[in-house]
Amino acid sequence: SQTIHQWPATLVQPVGSPLSLECTVEGTSNPNLYWYRQAAGRGLQLLFYSVGIGQISSEVPQNLSASRPQDRQFILSSKKLLLSDSGFYLCAWSVVGGKPQHFGDGTRLSIL
Amino acid sequence: DAKTTQPPSMDCAEGRAANLPCNHSTISGNEYVYWYRQIHSQGPQYIIHGLKNNETNEMASLIITEDRKSSTLILPHATLRDTAVYYCIVRGTGANNLFFGTGTRLTVIP
Repeated sequence: SQTIHQWPATLVQPVGSPLSLECTVEGTSNPNLYWYRQAAGRGLQLLFYSVGIGQISSEVPQNLSASRPQDRQFILSSKKLLLSDSGFYLCAWSVVGGKPQHFGDGTRLSIL
Repeated sequence: DAKTTQPPSMDCAEGRAANLPCNHSTISGNEYVYWYRQIHSQGPQYIIHGLKNNETNEMASLIITEDRKSSTLILPHATLRDTAVYYCIVRGTGANNLFFGTGTRLTVIP
C-alpha cells in the first residue's frame, strides 16, 4: 500500500531563517505531488504541485519554493522565513491529476 | 470549481448513522463530488467520491441526487473516532486543486 511521510511534525523557526520541509511517498511510481498550507481556522491553499521530477507549478506567488529531486520526494523551501509563513503545511499525492489526493500528517510551522 | 454549502456543525449519537448534507447547485457535468475529513491537527483524510451514481466503500456511502445539485455522506455506525470536520468538495476532471471550504464539524456523542 502507499504511504506518505512528512517531517518534521512541528517546527519553530525565527524570522529570516531558512526552511526545508521534506515529503516522501512510498508504494507508487510517478505520483503527482502537492504542497498545501492551511492557516488557522481556514481552508487549504494549494502552493505547488508537480507531475514529475524537476517539474514544479506554482499556484501563488510567495516567499516559498518547491523542488522534486527524485520521483517520490518533494521539498518545500524558503531562504528567509516571514511571520506570514506560519501555518500547517501539508503534502499530498495522487495517481494523476483529478484523482483523489492523499495527505500526510503535516508540519506545523511557527515563526517567531 | 463549483462552490459547496454545508451546515457548520452536527451532532450524532454513537452507533447511529451520521448523515452529512452538502449543496452544490452550480456543479457542472464533469465535476465529481469528493468528501474528506480532518481530525484535529492531522492531514485531511480522503473518504469517498462520486460523479452520478451512489457510491459505497468501507468508510461511508455517498448519495448523490439525480439532478446532482446535492449529496449526502453517510457514516452508517458513527464512532467517537469519527468526530472531525467533514469537507464536501466538487472538482473537475484533471484539476489539481482541492478547494476546502469551512466544512461540517461532526461531533459524535457517547
